[in-house]
Amino acid sequence: DIVMTQTPLSSPVTLGQPASISCRSSQSLVHRDGNTYLSWLQQRPGQPPRLLIYKISNRFSGVPDRFSGSGAGTDFTLKISRVEAGDVGVYYCMQGTQSPYTFGQGTKLEIK
Amino acid sequence: EVQLVESGGGLVKPGGSLRLSCAASGFTFSNAWMSWVRQAPGKGLEWVGLIKSKTDGGTTDYATPVKGRFTISRDDSKNTLFLQVNSLKTEDTAVYYCTTLWAGTSDNWGQGTLVTVSS
Repeated sequence: DIVMTQTPLSSPVTLGQPASISCRSSQSLVHRDGNTYLSWLQQRPGQPPRLLIYKISNRFSGVPDRFSGSGAGTDFTLKISRVEAGDVGVYYCMQGTQSPYTFGQGTKLEIK
Repeated sequence: EVQLVESGGGLVKPGGSLRLSCAASGFTFSNAWMSWVRQAPGKGLEWVGLIKSKTDGGTTDYATPVKGRFTISRDDSKNTLFLQVNSLKTEDTAVYYCTTLWAGTSDNWGQGTLVTVSS
């Protein structure tokens, strides 16, 4: 199984400042079809997860452009350009390149 | 609007069984790949398994911890996804989410149904 490792596990951020979360996979996430199925999800307190970014850098419908994804191969990053109060929650990376699909441990974003 | 509504959770003893359902609406269910994801209390997300559309073979795949105990099925005539969970263990206690699968990820999520395994 592909292991997804996120850092940091907790990220205190000041409102209006940027935040960055890293995700590393134990093997390349490049699929034989040429796509890289790495996504980012946000889970606000008490809510189900919500898709933010798919295939490394594509924002899902309705996601603000403050959120961006980058990376390639085994190393990926989610960036929030200016953190807002509503961004508080846990962020997960997920790989859908090889079954079984797997998630990172989650990174808790909190306001300082 | 896509809606996924899970049901069937509850309290069950170790070794017991449950059948979870997910009623889908707002999209063409028969064309969709579907999955189940679970989340133990206070823990992270864990992928449980998927089922492809019948057009793509209708096959299933499962995470290692549930292989042989859990079975995913679908009834396209009723727009419903199922998860049969057998031989339950205390570590299977979790909220179980139904999701659509698209572009290698879970793009739509239900609210979840809680399964508690305890004696």
